Amino acid sequence: DGGITQSPKYLFRKEGQNVTLSCEQNLNHDAMYWYRQDPGQGLRLIYYSQIVNDFQKGDIAEGYSVSREKKESFPLTVTSAQKNPTAFYLCASSIARRTGGNEQYFGPGTRLTVT
Amino acid sequence: AQTVTQSQPEMSVQEAETVTLSCTYDTSESDYYLFWYKQPPSRQMILVIRQEAYKQQNATENRFSVNFQKAAKSFSLKISDSQLGDAAMYFCASAYNQGGKLIFGQGTELSVKP
Repeated sequence: DGGITQSPKYLFRKEGQNVTLSCEQNLNHDAMYWYRQDPGQGLRLIYYSQIVNDFQKGDIAEGYSVSREKKESFPLTVTSAQKNPTAFYLCASSIARRTGGNEQYFGPGTRLTVT
Repeated sequence: AQTVTQSQPEMSVQEAETVTLSCTYDTSESDYYLFWYKQPPSRQMILVIRQEAYKQQNATENRFSVNFQKAAKSFSLKISDSQLGDAAMYFCASAYNQGGKLIFGQGTELSVKP
C-alpha cells in the first residue's frame, strides 16, 4: 500500500534534548512538508522541500531543522532551541513542485511531549 | 500575507440534516486553490474537497459541496445528509503557486447528534 509513515506515534523527551521525527513516503512524490498542530489552532508550516537536497523555511522554522537526502524521506529534528516543542507534528507530501493545486497527502502524525 | 479564517470553533448538526461550515480568506493572488480537510479523532488529515479559484462552478463530492464566492473571498462547506462518521475537525486551507504550501484556518469542530 502506498502512503506516508511517521514514527513513532508518541514520543517523549526531556527538555534540552534534540529529537528527530521520521517521515517516509512511497508515493513517489516530489514535495514534502512538515506542519505543527497545537490545540485550538490550525496547522502551521515548519519546513518544506520540493526536491532532493533542497528545502525552504516555512512560517515557524525557528528551532527546527530538516534534511532531504532521499526523495522518500524528510526527517525533522526538533532542537533544544525550540521553546515550546510539545505539539502534534504532521508530515505531508504532494505530487508536483511549485504548484498549489495538488492534493497533499498526510501521515498519521507524531505526538511529541517534552518535559 | 495570505490568511484563512474560520469563525465557528464548534458546530453541531442532527444526523441526516444539512450543515454549513464557514471560511473566509484574504489574498492578493489571482491564481490560488482552496481546500477543505477533515481530521477525525484518529487525527489523520483527509481531503474532502478542492476548488480552483479560476473555476466559477462550485465543486461537489457526493454529500459535500462548496459555495465559492470569489468577490467576497468566501468558501463555505455544505454537508448534506449528515452521518455520524462526519464528526470531525474541519479545516479550510488555501494554496498558491509558491511551492504548494497550505495555509490553514483554525478549524471547526463538527459534532453529529444521532
